[in-house]
Amino acid sequence: DADVTQTPRNRITKTGKRIMLECSQTKGHDRMYWYRQDPGLGLRLIYYSFDVKDINKGEISDGYSVSRQAQAKFSLSLESAIPNQTALYFCATSELVFTEQFFGPGTRLTVL
Amino acid sequence: AQKVTQAQTEISVVEKEDVTLDCVYETRDTTYYLFWYKQPPSGELVFLIRRNSFDEQNEISGRYSWNFQKSTSSFNFTITASQVVDSAVYFCALTNAGNNRKLIWGLGTSLAVNP
Repeated sequence: DADVTQTPRNRITKTGKRIMLECSQTKGHDRMYWYRQDPGLGLRLIYYSFDVKDINKGEISDGYSVSRQAQAKFSLSLESAIPNQTALYFCATSELVFTEQFFGPGTRLTVL
Repeated sequence: AQKVTQAQTEISVVEKEDVTLDCVYETRDTTYYLFWYKQPPSGELVFLIRRNSFDEQNEISGRYSWNFQKSTSSFNFTITASQVVDSAVYFCALTNAGNNRKLIWGLGTSLAVNP
């Protein structure tokens, strides 16, 4: 089984809908991250969490919120989806801030 | 400010050619870590290597090798005898020591290895 899983893998939704993307990990890492990837823009950090009680905004947090329900679970919500949030979303974990990050398979989100 | 530059947006080679992907970084810290990741067409991100700033030894792993040079702030990645399966986007990234440091990503180099 994969160490980092994301659900759903693909989602098509309409403008204004609330969407939740879920991430689970079995690596036992405290640090978890949410990124979005857009063509030509690389990976941009949305939110990150260093433990259940520590959640921080990344470089593009506007329009997003997160919840760290447990060490193993980190969810990303789009409160009111808009078309420019169409992107590939990745969850990642790491043991320490300077160790490698392990990525989930990604969620392809399309907002119409 | 920290920055990672991958100047090569796209590279196209013929199978069995050697290819080098460039990564230039900027940081004021003396302790930092550099990474390479691979993103094949299937979309997942795969960790390849991590290097800390105190270890300038070059690394070789099969057909892959990495050249870390602090004097030029570069951490270049070479694939020897490229294969079609090497076709992917390759990302270089940088982070510094410290608990609140984030990973700074380059924009990636898209490598196409043609048969």
